[in-house]
Amino acid sequence: GAGVSQSPSNKVTEKGKDVELRCDPISGHTALYWYRQRLGQGLEFLIYFQGNSAPDKSGLPSDRFSAERTGESVSTLTIQRTQQEDSAVYLCASSLPGFQNEQFFGPGTRLTVL
Amino acid sequence: GDSVTQMEGPVTLSEEAFLTINCTYTATGYPSLFWYVQYPGEGLQLLLKATKADDKGSNKGFEATYRKETTSFHLEKGSVQVSDSAVYFCALSSSQGGSEKLVFGKGMKLTVNP
Repeated sequence: GAGVSQSPSNKVTEKGKDVELRCDPISGHTALYWYRQRLGQGLEFLIYFQGNSAPDKSGLPSDRFSAERTGESVSTLTIQRTQQEDSAVYLCASSLPGFQNEQFFGPGTRLTVL
Repeated sequence: GDSVTQMEGPVTLSEEAFLTINCTYTATGYPSLFWYVQYPGEGLQLLLKATKADDKGSNKGFEATYRKETTSFHLEKGSVQVSDSAVYFCALSSSQGGSEKLVFGKGMKLTVNP
């Protein structure tokens, strides 16, 4: 079956521009997560959705970052006024509810801010 | 807060060598523990998991045992292959604070030479 998909796969933008990253989770997975992986670093948690609600936004690094989810399906991560330190691979994952369950990861969006 | 500390490498081994990647954690409550692997050019995928103390996760010849007394989840394989070359991430997940996010170590790059 289809896995988690993300688009675009690569995004190059200029400092100060806004970007939108999209995630399509596995059908039926009510839990959705965004993570960030900067070069040479581990994965940093950004935000967690259960259905369309986000009970944990604690990882969003600043108010330039926001995310939404609609229809308990697709999610969009928006970064406003991008900065060079936002350059990273942004990963989306989905799972069945429950912290013991495997999270299935998408291929990521590589964001480069010039 | 919750955290994971793992060997960072990079590590280079010869084929058929024994592999150990150390992982220790700090967490409130009773987390589930995971090893994820990222093969070159591929997305992050689950290698194995353990959900309670003394559980052993195993897959593809890899094993890890959930040791609550030492707060550890070391990954081992008796005889590595060239195809095991990848980046390995230790992670934990708990339900603390209503979130089900994964907390990752920084990852360890393994190269296996023939």
